Amino acid sequence: AQTVTQSQPEMSVQEAETVTLSCTYDTSENNYYLFWYKQPPSRQMILVIRQEAYKQQNATENRFSVNFQKAAKSFSLKISDSQLGDTAMYFCAQGGNTGNQFYFGTGTSLTVIP
Amino acid sequence: DAGITQSPRHKVTETGTPVTLRCHQTENHRYMYWYRQDPGHGLRLIHYSYGVKDTDKGEVSDGYSVSRSKTEDFLLTLESATSSQTSVYFCAISESPRGRFFGPGTRLTVL
Repeated sequence: AQTVTQSQPEMSVQEAETVTLSCTYDTSENNYYLFWYKQPPSRQMILVIRQEAYKQQNATENRFSVNFQKAAKSFSLKISDSQLGDTAMYFCAQGGNTGNQFYFGTGTSLTVIP
Repeated sequence: DAGITQSPRHKVTETGTPVTLRCHQTENHRYMYWYRQDPGHGLRLIHYSYGVKDTDKGEVSDGYSVSRSKTEDFLLTLESATSSQTSVYFCAISESPRGRFFGPGTRLTVL
């Protein structure tokens, strides 16, 4: 079975510092996508960043970047210059080739401390 | 942001009553999905659609049915609501099976 594991239920970081959220996954597919979603207290699920498995270059979106290690099946999210608005639950997800092949981790609750 | 709306945004109903949640998109995406989110379970797929009138079950489909008669609308129906269906329901859309853009969610309480 395909799984996504986030081993850090809760994390905190000082404002303006850098934090890394971990994610590992297990899949037998060769072609897949990986995602990080942010869910603030408003409950809206917001796509933060996406990585295509066939691309070796790590994806970057402003202060958010990933460290994608395909052989290790690891997909961590780095948030630089953390801001109070980054306080949220973060979900890692892996998408396969059919509509029901999309797997979420259980989430990491991140608190940015002023 | 992807153009997805869900209605209603909040609903309180009683056990045994039928409930229909609506998802509407303006992106003309082929795929639409219904998820539920519960503490300790994350997001779980209920049903999804890969085209008009083409739907399939997800991992928690019991007690739910769906319909998609137009590209832009995907309806989720609870034929006879139960307290175990109290949850936050998210609709999502995508061009391909490999992505998801989520709607704002519907909080459903079944008393």
